[in-house]
Amino acid sequence: QVQLVQSGAEVKKPGASVKVSCKASGYTFTSYYMHWVRQAPGQGLEWMAIINPSGGSTTYAQKFQGRVTMTRDTSTSTVYMELSSLRSEDTAVYYCARRGPVAGTADYWGQGTLVTV
Amino acid sequence: DIQMTQSPSSLSASVGDRVTITCRANQSISTYLNWYQQNPGKAPQLLIYAASGLQSGVSSRFSGSGSGTDFTLTISSLQSEDFATYYCQQSYITPPTFGPGTKVDV
Repeated sequence: QVQLVQSGAEVKKPGASVKVSCKASGYTFTSYYMHWVRQAPGQGLEWMAIINPSGGSTTYAQKFQGRVTMTRDTSTSTVYMELSSLRSEDTAVYYCARRGPVAGTADYWGQGTLVTV
Repeated sequence: DIQMTQSPSSLSASVGDRVTITCRANQSISTYLNWYQQNPGKAPQLLIYAASGLQSGVSSRFSGSGSGTDFTLTISSLQSEDFATYYCQQSYITPPTFGPGTKVDV
């Protein structure tokens, strides 16, 4: 079965960086893009970025350009999201989510990682 | 970016009720519209894709319709596990954007 397992909660100081991991299993890792979506406390869902695990190409939301970096390690089926220059507004739960067969959907989600700044 | 709106922002309902949630885009998105359910403290789950496609494993009491700019999610007979927040999402243009959510409570 498809599983996305994320790394644990993080507490960071303003100005620091955080790197969250998402380990995929149960499917061919390089066949499906991966989204990152975040949710501030009590707020809605905000799309951040997407990566093609096959070639490593990325697309970032303009809001996060220059601060976010997505990478992947095909040997461990893991995707990483690094966010730099953290500020209090970045306090949120960060989710990885697999892009499903229908373009743009997110059909499987990780459990979420709380990042507190 | 495409702006998504939802109405109502919240609603109160009872088990067995028929519930309808509306989502609107500020430009045409064809049928590139998806619906998610989120329970407190949990990750969202995909319910409906491409406006009316039922995601595998999702109950048939959920249905979606619409095209262009106006879409609806209908729960035919509300069950206790359906009390949650529902989000629409457009996948027509990058970045994909979400509606603000509709909370369904007792």
